[in-house]
Amino acid sequence: GAGVSQSPSNKVTEKGKDVELRCDPISGHTALYWYRQRLGQGLEFLIYFQGNSAPDKSGLPSDRFSAERTGESVSTLTIQRTQQEDSAVYLCASSLVASGRYNEQFFGPGTRLTVL
Amino acid sequence: AQSVAQPEDQVNVAEGNPLTVKCTYSVSGNPYLFWYVQYPNRGLQFLLKYITGDNLVKGSYGFEAEFNKSQTSFHLKKPSALVSDSALYFCAVIKRGGSQGNLIFGKGTKLSVKP
Repeated sequence: GAGVSQSPSNKVTEKGKDVELRCDPISGHTALYWYRQRLGQGLEFLIYFQGNSAPDKSGLPSDRFSAERTGESVSTLTIQRTQQEDSAVYLCASSLVASGRYNEQFFGPGTRLTVL
Repeated sequence: AQSVAQPEDQVNVAEGNPLTVKCTYSVSGNPYLFWYVQYPNRGLQFLLKYITGDNLVKGSYGFEAEFNKSQTSFHLKKPSALVSDSALYFCAVIKRGGSQGNLIFGKGTKLSVKP
């Protein structure tokens, strides 16, 4: 079956511009996550969606970052007024959520964002 | 606070030799533990997880990991390394009963397997 897909795969933008990154999770996965991976570093949690619950936004680094999810499907991560330090690979993941257990996340290929 | 440590930035192994990639964690209570692998220019792939039961967990591509509660470790191992195992490996932990979103990743260990 199809995995997690992300678009675009690469995005080059100028400082100050807004960007939108898209994630299509695996069908049936109720949980969706966004991470940021700077060059040579580990994953930095950004935001988590689970069903119709309020998202966990605790990882968003500033109010320039926001994300939306339509039901249990597509999510978009928006970065407003991009800065050079926003340059990174943005990874999306999805997982099944079952009461009382934690299931592994399945990751998309990422969007490489370069802010000039 | 939860944390994961991967003390080695890089591990170099000769093909055919056993490999170990180290991971220690700090989480109150009993954790769920994961290993992921990231091949060049590709997304992360799930390798294995420890939930409960047998401390030795077997995963994809011949990898295994041993949960050691007293040492709070979850080292990744493989008896015989392949050149194709060369990649970036991430250990991750989440507190049992905690927020599903609160998966903490280590900084990663680059594994290089030479022929």
